[in-house]
Amino acid sequence: ETGVTQSPTHLIKTRGQQVTLRCSSQSGHNTVSWYQQALGQGPQFIFQYYREEENGRGNFPPRFSGLQFPNYSSELNVNALELDDSALYLCASSSQGKEQFFGPGTRLTVL
Amino acid sequence: GEDVEQSLFLSVREGDSSVINCTYTDSSSTYLYWYKQEPGAGLQLLTYIFSNMDMKQDQRLTVLLNKKDKHLSLRIADTQTGDSAIYFCAENDNQGGKLIFGQGTELSVKP
Repeated sequence: ETGVTQSPTHLIKTRGQQVTLRCSSQSGHNTVSWYQQALGQGPQFIFQYYREEENGRGNFPPRFSGLQFPNYSSELNVNALELDDSALYLCASSSQGKEQFFGPGTRLTVL
Repeated sequence: GEDVEQSLFLSVREGDSSVINCTYTDSSSTYLYWYKQEPGAGLQLLTYIFSNMDMKQDQRLTVLLNKKDKHLSLRIADTQTGDSAIYFCAENDNQGGKLIFGQGTELSVKP
């Protein structure tokens, strides 16, 4: 059984640029959630996708957007990057919502 | 509002028991979780407890839930140096979608 994978591992961008992060869910899981983890903090919920539809959103601006594909993989897009967007971005997959399994994360640095 | 709080640091000696505490505010949470994060890595689901349970034991891990006081604890028996990590407590929201995390407790195990 393949676990949750994310790409890329690390990314460096400059302010104002756009970024796309990718996540492949664990086999059999139809729900993907994205979290932002700033240094020294717990993860903060960005949004969740279930069967290709957004199914809940945290307190993040519209420049954070996402997609889920028919194979349940997902993308997180962030436009107009700001310095405070520097963080570890975590993707979690689940089925029926009870247990969320996390990927290794993408470390984004905005200069 | 929703909030999860944990103490930031805990230091124990190898072989001792560790107890990590957490308080939460959302009494409608269905499940409460403990995750482990090692440096530079994603989150590993350790265990979870259904809100109508008082205790759950899984090998060296014991979870205690006091729903009246909204207090959750994780006890690690015979703590090993490999247990050194940051431990996050999380509750799910009342719709079962997003996880709300505490700030994490850094466990340091001294030989």
